[in-house]
Amino acid sequence: KAGVTQTPRYLIKTRGQQVTLSCSPISGHRSVSWYQQTPGQGLQFLFEYFSETQRNKGNFPGRFSGRQFSNSRSEMNVSTLELGDSALYLCASSLWQGVSYEQYFGPGTRLTVT
Amino acid sequence: AQTVTQSQPEMSVQEAETVTLSCTYDTSESDYYLFWYKQPPSRQMILVIRQEAYKQQNATENRFSVNFQKAAKSFSLKISDSQLGDAAMYFCAYRSVNNYGGATNKLIFGTGTLLAVQP
Repeated sequence: KAGVTQTPRYLIKTRGQQVTLSCSPISGHRSVSWYQQTPGQGLQFLFEYFSETQRNKGNFPGRFSGRQFSNSRSEMNVSTLELGDSALYLCASSLWQGVSYEQYFGPGTRLTVT
Repeated sequence: AQTVTQSQPEMSVQEAETVTLSCTYDTSESDYYLFWYKQPPSRQMILVIRQEAYKQQNATENRFSVNFQKAAKSFSLKISDSQLGDAAMYFCAYRSVNNYGGATNKLIFGTGTLLAVQP
């Protein structure tokens, strides 16, 4: 069974631009969560989606948004990019919501903002 | 709010030896789950071991075991017979059972411990 895939793997953007990252969960998984990983702040929760609905949101500005499609694929968008948005963005998928279900992480998208 | 603290930014262990990584957490919840994740260099994060707070017995997965002290809010990871492939960043993570009455997959991570394994 294919794992969690994220596209693109690497991205370079200019300050002020916007970017869309994609996450395809493991087949059959309905829950997708997003995390930002930086050397300074570590791993921080962005948001989670289940059945196309945002179920939980982290403490990030409104420039960060996301959505989930009917096939469970998820996208996250960052508008008006800032230098501090440079990070590894990880998504994780799970069969369902709840602690009984293990989360599987993707390889991440490395975003560099110049 | 819950917090997770890993006080050891880096650790080193000789191959075949045992090493213990420390993790403490803070929460007012009585029911929750704790995890150790491994992130090898340039590779995907994978789950190493999980512990349910309501279980007193410490979890074990092959060479990996935890020492869960609920009252002390401590959750350490012991790696026995260390192998070169164990070299990675290790993250301790906390997960609530419920989020305002609903299930959540949200993980709260510590800052990680970079483990080096010396041959």
